[in-house]
Amino acid sequence: AQRVTQPEKLLSVFKGAPVELKCNYSYSGSPELFWYVQYSRQRLQLLLRHISRESIKGFTADLNKGETSFHLKKPFAQEEDSAMYYCALLTGGGNKLTFGTGTQLKVEL
Amino acid sequence: DGGITQSPKYLFRKEGQNVTLSCEQNLNHDAMYWYRQDPGQGLRLIYYSQIVNDFQKGDIAEGYSVSREKKESFPLTVTSAQKNPTAFYLCASSILGQGSPQHFGDGTRLSIL
Repeated sequence: AQRVTQPEKLLSVFKGAPVELKCNYSYSGSPELFWYVQYSRQRLQLLLRHISRESIKGFTADLNKGETSFHLKKPFAQEEDSAMYYCALLTGGGNKLTFGTGTQLKVEL
Repeated sequence: DGGITQSPKYLFRKEGQNVTLSCEQNLNHDAMYWYRQDPGQGLRLIYYSQIVNDFQKGDIAEGYSVSREKKESFPLTVTSAQKNPTAFYLCASSILGQGSPQHFGDGTRLSIL
């Protein structure tokens, strides 16, 4: 069965430090993965998708099929990066997503 | 801020009562989704719909029902058969197509009195 695992409920880093939010998946098909983010008092929104291979707000994520991972990285954390981050896996037809349990990122000054 | 509107923001239900959560979108999206969010469990898909008058069960459909009579609207009914309805409910919509970004509402928090 498909599954998305985000092992860290909370990740606390200092401003300027590198950030890595972990995401591992289990899926028998060809995976398509996403990172969604929810900033304080804002709606959940798409941050990036692996198929686009883009960098959004300095974040990147590379799909590693060998390790079944899709970790989200940023070289230098900013205070405005503090938010809840969800990794999601596209599963089956109909644009169905399976979400991980989320990681709360806190960037401290 | 338009897009997706969920109402009400907070909802209280007595044991044994059905309750309907509203979700309306003005994005002209064909697909709509309902998720349930519980602490420590992320988002779980309840129902989704890709076209008017058609919808499919998600991973946790038991105790819930939906309708899709209009493209803009996808109400969710939490029935008395749902044994643990207290949760945060999120509605989303997207254009058709695999991997299309889903746009979310602000959510409705349902509590049992």
